[in-house]
Amino acid sequence: DQQVKQNSPSLSVQEGRISILNCDYTNSMFDYFLWYKKYPAEGPTFLISISSIKDKNEDGRFTVFLNKSAKHLSLHIVPSQPGDSAVYFCAASTPTSGSRLTFGEGTQLTVNP
Amino acid sequence: GAVVSQHPSWVICKSGTSVKIECRSLDFQATTMFWYRQFPKQSLMLMATSNEGSKATYEQGVEKDKFLINHASLTLSTLTVTSAHPEDSSFYICSATLAGGFTDTQYFGPGTRLTVL
Repeated sequence: DQQVKQNSPSLSVQEGRISILNCDYTNSMFDYFLWYKKYPAEGPTFLISISSIKDKNEDGRFTVFLNKSAKHLSLHIVPSQPGDSAVYFCAASTPTSGSRLTFGEGTQLTVNP
Repeated sequence: GAVVSQHPSWVICKSGTSVKIECRSLDFQATTMFWYRQFPKQSLMLMATSNEGSKATYEQGVEKDKFLINHASLTLSTLTVTSAHPEDSSFYICSATLAGGFTDTQYFGPGTRLTVL
């Protein structure tokens, strides 16, 4: 049962444009969401997070939006840069899962110069 | 800060041998370390949760006798793949959470590529 789903395995955008990566979840107990970025043969690096008490969190070029009623979150990157090309994972946790995270399948973002 | 290292970064072994992978938090103490496995183009699958000084908690379907986890200190956890077989070939990643940290932010190691011949 895939509780966190990233339905788009890949996304390609032009440099300078906006990248929007989407993530859906089914477990209504999830209350904390994170986005990680991963380069090949490296471990994921934390990008940005959001608590369920918020619907938006912004950090520089990265903004995460949370729509609890739709059980959907998205990561916006603007402007996109070639160095942003990587696999992006969304992850979620519940109040009782502690630090155990449930990951989505990842979306490969390619930013073309 | 919050650097996690793994050693080795890659290993090739023969079927039937055991392989040990180390995970270290270099500049912080980690209350909890996690071990993940990732197949190509798939999600990170949590294998087990490791707390210092106690037995690891394994996820459903993960053989604890095959994947031995030892969490000797607040900065070191090891994963031993015993009697490895080709189907164990994968990318193994550890992560660590900060002791006393509020968030569930995990800091990941660079991963270990295991190839079993």
